[in-house]
Amino acid sequence: DSGVTQTPKHLITATGQRVTLRCSPRSGDLSVYWYQQSLDQGLQFLIQYYNGEERAKGNILERFSAQQFPDLHSELNLSSLELGDSALYFCASSVGKPYLTQLKQETQYFGPGTRLLVL
Amino acid sequence: ELKVEQNPLFLSMQEGKNYTIYCNYSTTSDRLYWYRQDPGKSLESLFVLLSNGAVKQEGRLMASLDTKARLSTLHITAAVHDLSATYFCAVLKTSYDKVIFGPGTSLSVIP
Repeated sequence: DSGVTQTPKHLITATGQRVTLRCSPRSGDLSVYWYQQSLDQGLQFLIQYYNGEERAKGNILERFSAQQFPDLHSELNLSSLELGDSALYFCASSVGKPYLTQLKQETQYFGPGTRLLVL
Repeated sequence: ELKVEQNPLFLSMQEGKNYTIYCNYSTTSDRLYWYRQDPGKSLESLFVLLSNGAVKQEGRLMASLDTKARLSTLHITAAVHDLSATYFCAVLKTSYDKVIFGPGTSLSVIP
């Protein structure tokens, strides 16, 4: 158990709908990362937050958005869903501010993932 | 454009044997990461490598980084069945603010 929790574990929805995925980082971790894993695209980095602020943006679509709240949990919002959005969505957390910390503080701990199926 | 390649993509090896997984990337990087993913499971961080010549070891796994060759290796020593998993490398380019993953190497260790 990494200490990172994600809800829900599974989500089935229809095209055009909107869903929210939730991630709670390990206690004490300030950084949260979101990743998407699909058969077509492989693993992709989506977005990263540090202590409530967006730190880096990867291949996140405009239909997707995220935020990190004052209690450090994060939500990933996916809207106008398409079939191709079906994937596993992982979040991860780490202790420190990305890139500028001791490497040990960059070690990411991953949640169990949310499996999204868009029908 | 930053691209990351891994080879082999599939590897079947016998217990007790040694083997190496290669990770090549196309431009200079600021960090090189290795991850493990068990079938149907989440990811686990294995190593973070920063500088040229960096070597890190954990159990039967050893990762190294050659920034001049833009190459990282993950060496498996005396493989055991528990190492069966998919191994991903990923490269961070801070100026792009991006982490790019390789396609993964699916390792199967046969008793």
